[in-house]
Amino acid sequence: AQKITQTQPGMFVQEKEAVTLDCTYDTSDPSYGLFWYKQPSSGEMIFLIYQGSYDQQNATEGRYSLNFQKARKSANLVISASQLGDSAMYFCAMRGTLSSGSARQLTFGSGTQLTVLP
Amino acid sequence: DSGVTQTPKHLITATGQRVTLRCSPRSGDLSVYWYQQSLDQGLQFLIQYYNGEERAKGNILERFSAQQFPDLHSELNLSSLELGDSALYFCASSPGLAAFTGELFFGEGSRLTVL
Repeated sequence: AQKITQTQPGMFVQEKEAVTLDCTYDTSDPSYGLFWYKQPSSGEMIFLIYQGSYDQQNATEGRYSLNFQKARKSANLVISASQLGDSAMYFCAMRGTLSSGSARQLTFGSGTQLTVLP
Repeated sequence: DSGVTQTPKHLITATGQRVTLRCSPRSGDLSVYWYQQSLDQGLQFLIQYYNGEERAKGNILERFSAQQFPDLHSELNLSSLELGDSALYFCASSPGLAAFTGELFFGEGSRLTVL
């Protein structure tokens, strides 16, 4: 089974500051992927960044970076230079591998509501 | 635009009724996933289809059913609706089965309100 834990229901950050959103996970799968999605108030789910369990380097995508600490089973999202448009719900998710070799579905955490203050 | 199309975007109906939500995956994607997002349960996986066949089941109620058609579009049928079924229903797609490295591409969701 897989489990994602996001312990911060809400976070506030000042515009242009950096913010870290926490995510811890639990899985028995030997290989897995970790994902972050953004859900603005309009409702759509927007993919932000991916980290593979075997990747040696932390993933980066523009202002997004993923602080992956495998031994601690954490995959925190760092947003640099926050913008007002970053205000949204952020979900951490993971995908592993079934014994058949097929990929599992995405399992999501409960989300963190980020508010960027002007 | 993710390339995944869901209809209808909004739906209001009464308890006891039946509704059908439709999803067209991205061109070329064979896997379709359905998720339910409610305030108290978060994002819950319902069911997955791959090339017309059911591949995985999550927390899907017996009152709910789904199928994937030969043209790869999928429908989620919700019957005997209850107030608690009010939620945002997402469809997502991915190219295949084997790559856990790939993200799922989500539609904009169908917001169901049961009165």
